[in-house]
Amino acid sequence: GAGVSQSPRYKVAKRGQDVALRCDPISGHVSLFWYQQALGQGPEFLTYFQNEAQLDKSGLPSDRFFAERPEGSVSTLKIQRTQQEDSAVYLCASSRPRGDTDTQYFGPGTRLTVL
Amino acid sequence: GENVEQHPSTLSVQEGDSAVIKCTYSDSASNYFPWYKQELGKRPQLIIDIRSNVGEKKDQRIAVTLNKTAKHFSLHITETQPEDSAVYFCAASKGKRSYIPTFGRGTSLIVHP
Repeated sequence: GAGVSQSPRYKVAKRGQDVALRCDPISGHVSLFWYQQALGQGPEFLTYFQNEAQLDKSGLPSDRFFAERPEGSVSTLKIQRTQQEDSAVYLCASSRPRGDTDTQYFGPGTRLTVL
Repeated sequence: GENVEQHPSTLSVQEGDSAVIKCTYSDSASNYFPWYKQELGKRPQLIIDIRSNVGEKKDQRIAVTLNKTAKHFSLHITETQPEDSAVYFCAASKGKRSYIPTFGRGTSLIVHP
């Protein structure tokens, strides 16, 4: 079946612009994660949803970052008043945890460049 | 919170050699340890995982070992091939208690033909 998809794949924004990044998880996956991946680094956790509930947003770096998943499926990560330090790849992952095991399936990411 | 250290940051081997990547974690409550492979410009993909009630798991040329006492786990790739070249990430999570993983910083594996 279809995997996790993200759009756009590439986004160039001028500093101060607002951006919205979309994630379409695998159908039936209740868990959805957003990560920020800087060049040469591992994914850094941003926020986590279980269905429509945002259970953890401790990784969001500032109040300019906002995420939602209103119907428990598609999710949007919004960044307001973008700054150069926001430039990174934003990865979305979905999963259907079973017991202690949680295999996360990643999307291709959105590469955000803030000029 | 959890802290995951991964070494080495770069690993260069000849085709056919073995490669070992090591990770340590700090939170003894962590009980699920996946490994991801990320090729250049592509998404991370799970290659193997291990739960804390198991000491070793093998899948063809890939194996993972876990030492709960020492809080470290390792990825072993035997008979490396050029297509194994990628960045490998380890991660640790607390399973049902928290599915949020903490990732290592990655190891860039280069397999020379």
